[in-house]
Amino acid sequence: DGGITQSPKYLFRKEGQNVTLSCEQNLNHDAMYWYRQDPGQGLRLIYYSQIVNDFQKGDIAEGYSVSREKKESFPLTVTSAQKNPTAFYLCASRGRDYGYTFGSGTRLTVV
Amino acid sequence: EDKVVQSPLSLVVHEGDTVTLNCSYEVTNFRSLLWYKQEKKAPTFLFMLTSSGIEKKSGRLSSILDKKELSSILNITATQTGDSAIYLCAVDRSQGNLIFGKGTKLSVKP
Repeated sequence: DGGITQSPKYLFRKEGQNVTLSCEQNLNHDAMYWYRQDPGQGLRLIYYSQIVNDFQKGDIAEGYSVSREKKESFPLTVTSAQKNPTAFYLCASRGRDYGYTFGSGTRLTVV
Repeated sequence: EDKVVQSPLSLVVHEGDTVTLNCSYEVTNFRSLLWYKQEKKAPTFLFMLTSSGIEKKSGRLSSILDKKELSSILNITATQTGDSAIYLCAVDRSQGNLIFGKGTKLSVKP
C-alpha cells in the first residue's frame, strides 16, 4: 500500500534537546511538507520541499530544520531554539494531480 | 498576508440536523480550495474546488465555491454521530503549498 509513514507516533523531549521526526513516503511524490497543529488551531506550515535537495521556509520555520536528500524522505529536526515545541506534527506529500496525502502524525511533548 | 478564516469555530448539533460550515479566504495566488475531515490524526480529503458555482457532492456532504465572494461552504445533511470531527478548509497556492483555516469543531449529539 502506498502512503506516508511518520515515526515515532509519540515523542518526549527534554528541555534543550534536539529531536528528529521521521517522514517517509512511497508514493513517488515530488513535494513534501511539514505542518504543526496546536489545539484550536489549524495546520501551520513549517517547511516544504518541491524537489530533492531543495526546500523552503513556511510560516513558522524558526527553531526547525529539514533536509531532503532522498525523494522518499523529509525529516524534521526540532531544535532547542524552538521555545514551544509541544504540538502535533503532520507530514504531507503532493502528487502531480495536486492531491495531498497526510501521514498519521507525531505528537511531541516537552518534559 | 494570506489568510483563511473558518466559521463557526465550534458547533454542537443533534443527529438529523443539517449544518453549514463557512470558509472565506484572502490568498494572492489561489489555485484551489480543499476541505478535509480530521477525527483523530491525519486529515482525510473531502473535496477539491477550483471552479465557482459548481457543487460537489459525496453522500450527505456537499460543497460549493464562490470566487466572487472568496468563500466556500460545506453542507452536511442528516448529521450522524460519526460526523463529529474537525473540518478543515485549506487553499492551495500556486507556489505549491496549502494554507489552512483554524477548523470548525463539529459535535453531533445522539
